[in-house]
Amino acid sequence: GESVGLHLPTLSVQEGDNSIINCAYSNSASDYFIWYKQESGKGPQFIIDIRSNMDKRQGQRVTVLLNKTVKHLSLQIAATQPGDSAVYFCAENPWASGGSYIPTFGRGTSLIVHP
Amino acid sequence: DTEVTQTPKHLVMGMTNKKSLKCEQHMGHRAMYWYKQKAKKPPELMFVYSYEKLSINESVPSRFSPECPNSSLLNLHLHALQPEDSALYLCASSQEGQRRSNSPLHFGNGTRLTVT
Repeated sequence: GESVGLHLPTLSVQEGDNSIINCAYSNSASDYFIWYKQESGKGPQFIIDIRSNMDKRQGQRVTVLLNKTVKHLSLQIAATQPGDSAVYFCAENPWASGGSYIPTFGRGTSLIVHP
Repeated sequence: DTEVTQTPKHLVMGMTNKKSLKCEQHMGHRAMYWYKQKAKKPPELMFVYSYEKLSINESVPSRFSPECPNSSLLNLHLHALQPEDSALYLCASSQEGQRRSNSPLHFGNGTRLTVT
């Protein structure tokens, strides 16, 4: 199940289950969204992205869903494997008034996959 | 292995020291970034260089000084840091300059900085 601790929400699943990680974004001006995976001791790694003119995009074992009405993103991982254990961050890329995109990360979810 | 290389992997420095973090990418990316990440927290944007010019400074204290000598290199010069500056410092690059389009960030594995 999912629990929200003081710092980092955690999702625990069994190997082979499907996982769903949720993210609420804040900026209505964002038109591009990315999911990253960060393993211990490493930098974030790109998983999948989606533009605001789409509501669903599929990759290999991963699907991203975008609901602009409620400003919500989700990442679905099919047949979760122990190697999927990591912290997952959603990121939005709003256009700032200064004339640049500002890539901004959500707070992250720790996924723990039990063999 | 990441295509963005950061050195050193670990750094311990005193509050009076001067040190530099280095980042290199050879993907032809035109935007480069510095992020700071505390344990169990998301990365926080510090600086963005677009086409070798500083385009974003997220109100970072002057004890952190970025430099972009060319399109492949990014440095972060550190001076008179405080213990609360201890963190993982991540460098990233993206394909397009910041004013032109969206593209995902490619991160290095970071420098783990400890300020004593």
